[in-house]
Amino acid sequence: GQQLNQSPQSMFIQEGEDVSMNCTSSSIFNTWLWYKQDPGEGPVLLIALYKAGELTSNGRLTAQFGITRKDSFLNISASIPSDVGIYFCAGPLNYGGSQGNLIFGKGTKLSVKP
Amino acid sequence: NAGVTQTPKFRVLKTGQSMTLLCAQDMNHEYMYWYRQDPGMGLRLIHYSVGEGTTAKGEVPDGYNVSRLKKQNFLLGLESAAPSQTSVYFCASSPLLRGYNEQFFGPGTRLTVL
Repeated sequence: GQQLNQSPQSMFIQEGEDVSMNCTSSSIFNTWLWYKQDPGEGPVLLIALYKAGELTSNGRLTAQFGITRKDSFLNISASIPSDVGIYFCAGPLNYGGSQGNLIFGKGTKLSVKP
Repeated sequence: NAGVTQTPKFRVLKTGQSMTLLCAQDMNHEYMYWYRQDPGMGLRLIHYSVGEGTTAKGEVPDGYNVSRLKKQNFLLGLESAAPSQTSVYFCASSPLLRGYNEQFFGPGTRLTVL
């Protein structure tokens, strides 16, 4: 079945550092979504990508839709403490894609360096 | 707009008890979803609905039932709770637009089954 692999699973950030994470799919996607989840909250949509090669920014966040349509990347520039949380990638499920069903990666957890 | 709301926020059940989780959205969205989130597992789709009066099974439907009697509400029922259903439950909604996959999430319900 379809799988989304996110990496890294976790990482530590120091304020001011740039952060990169990525997501790869076992099948071609026509949409990539990036969500962030704060502790005790529901996921919040950060960026939506609908075209291969597309590069979209939301403040300090930049996401790219890979040319192969099987991967996507999220970069955070000049990280700040409130960037901590879990970042999920998501794409449409094949069997239910027409009904908006999504498959989610297992997330990349950002924490502050001790 | 309140967006997507969920009640209750927390609940503790004993094995064998039943309960209903309520999701409400005020965005006039056609599609609604129920997910569960477990550590290291990401978000997994339980059931979904593509409109009032319709429901369908997702990835992990066993032990759950749903109903969508009104467009704005989506109920998730546990008839006989089991410890394996201890999880955080999220509801989401999405508008009916071709090729549009963005889902908007509620704040979650944390359920513990003893």
